[in-house]
Amino acid sequence: SQTIHQWPATLVQPVGSPLSLECTVEGTSNPNLYWYRQAAGRGLQLLFYSVGIGQISSEVPQNLSASRPQDRQFILSSKKLLLSDSGFYLCAWSYLGGTGYTFGSGTRLTVV
Amino acid sequence: SQQGEEDPQALSIQEGENATMNCSYKTSINNLQWYRQNSGRGLVHLILIRSNEREKHSGRLRVTLDTSKKSSSLLITASRAADTASYFCATDEGNNNDMRFGAGTRLTVKP
Repeated sequence: SQTIHQWPATLVQPVGSPLSLECTVEGTSNPNLYWYRQAAGRGLQLLFYSVGIGQISSEVPQNLSASRPQDRQFILSSKKLLLSDSGFYLCAWSYLGGTGYTFGSGTRLTVV
Repeated sequence: SQQGEEDPQALSIQEGENATMNCSYKTSINNLQWYRQNSGRGLVHLILIRSNEREKHSGRLRVTLDTSKKSSSLLITASRAADTASYFCATDEGNNNDMRFGAGTRLTVKP
């Protein structure tokens, strides 16, 4: 069966520090991968999605970046965090034309 | 950018009552999906309805889709306290590569 792992669950980082959040998927190959951000009490904002290794589409201009070094690995990064980067970050995978997204358990990032 | 918009933003009902949540969207879609999120957790996929379908059932869930009005509804029958969560609709804007989520409806079911 397919599983998705996202870590860490919580993270507190100072302003200006770097960020690296990792998401891995098991039990499937060539999935579509996504990073979303959710502000408190709000909906999900699509940040990045990837349809294959090295292929990244960015939805929102920001100081975040994403990379897909392996088929089932998706990394969200920042060189210097801003206070506004605080939020709940969710990774998800799906198949093109598939039956829905499977989400990871999320990372709550607080930038202080 | 958001595609779907849920209505109402918050809904509070008694256990045993039915809960209806609505979603409106703006562009043509291939499918519309409903998700549930418990507080501080990831989203869980509930049901997908394709653009050529009008109604779909899954247990106590009933989803309708009206493509002419660009709207969908999620009905939870005989609600339980455990149904307390936020519910989101998501649409694919016709390209199947990514889903756009609304701001969600926060449902509270009182025991």
